[in-house]
Amino acid sequence: QVLLPESGPRLVTSSETLSLTCTVSGGSIDTHYWSWIRQAPGKGPEWMGYVYRSGNSDSSPSLKSRVTISVDTSRNQFSLRLTSVTAADTAVYYCARVVAPTNDAFDIWGQGTFVTVST
Amino acid sequence: QSVLTQPPSASGTPGQRVTISCSGGSSIIGSSTVSWYQQLPGTAPKLLIYSNSQRPTGVPDRFSGSKSGTSASLAISGLQSDDEADYYCAAWDESLNDYVFGTGTKVTVL
Repeated sequence: QVLLPESGPRLVTSSETLSLTCTVSGGSIDTHYWSWIRQAPGKGPEWMGYVYRSGNSDSSPSLKSRVTISVDTSRNQFSLRLTSVTAADTAVYYCARVVAPTNDAFDIWGQGTFVTVST
Repeated sequence: QSVLTQPPSASGTPGQRVTISCSGGSSIIGSSTVSWYQQLPGTAPKLLIYSNSQRPTGVPDRFSGSKSGTSASLAISGLQSDDEADYYCAAWDESLNDYVFGTGTKVTVL
């Protein structure tokens, strides 16, 4: 059973950088694409970007200038960095596995980490 | 504002069939596959349908998905109290180069 525990600070100061890590437990990071998705309070989910074992990544156009998604295959982990955060970035952040081989959905999700941006 | 439009709410009595629609343009639903997610309060979304109509292992066949043109639908048959949740459609938008979630539908079991 693949589990995706997330780790990182729950409180980030405005204008600083939000950093989260997701560990692929019970499976290999080599077999799928991996994504970060966030959900602001009372809103729907928002896709942030994906990464593959090769390091190839892409992100949502709305966040591209501030988002970096990276992978560490030796640790079976992938990470999210979001720079210059504001109150609008307060949300639950989920890491998720992309369905293979269709790559068109997310079949396993982390439990979610609520990150608050303080002003 | 999402480019995938869903009705804000839907409801039914236990045992009934409920259908949720998802409308988008030719650059999204017309060009991509659609997935559906169920989200219970305080939990992560759960994948119900991918590639328009495929169910992941463990999802009951009471849930079914379809797509036609620039619209997609999720049907829930034999409605149960446990089905009370928010439901989101999602798809890749080729014009935006972005993966987009729908506006969401809250299903209430009366």
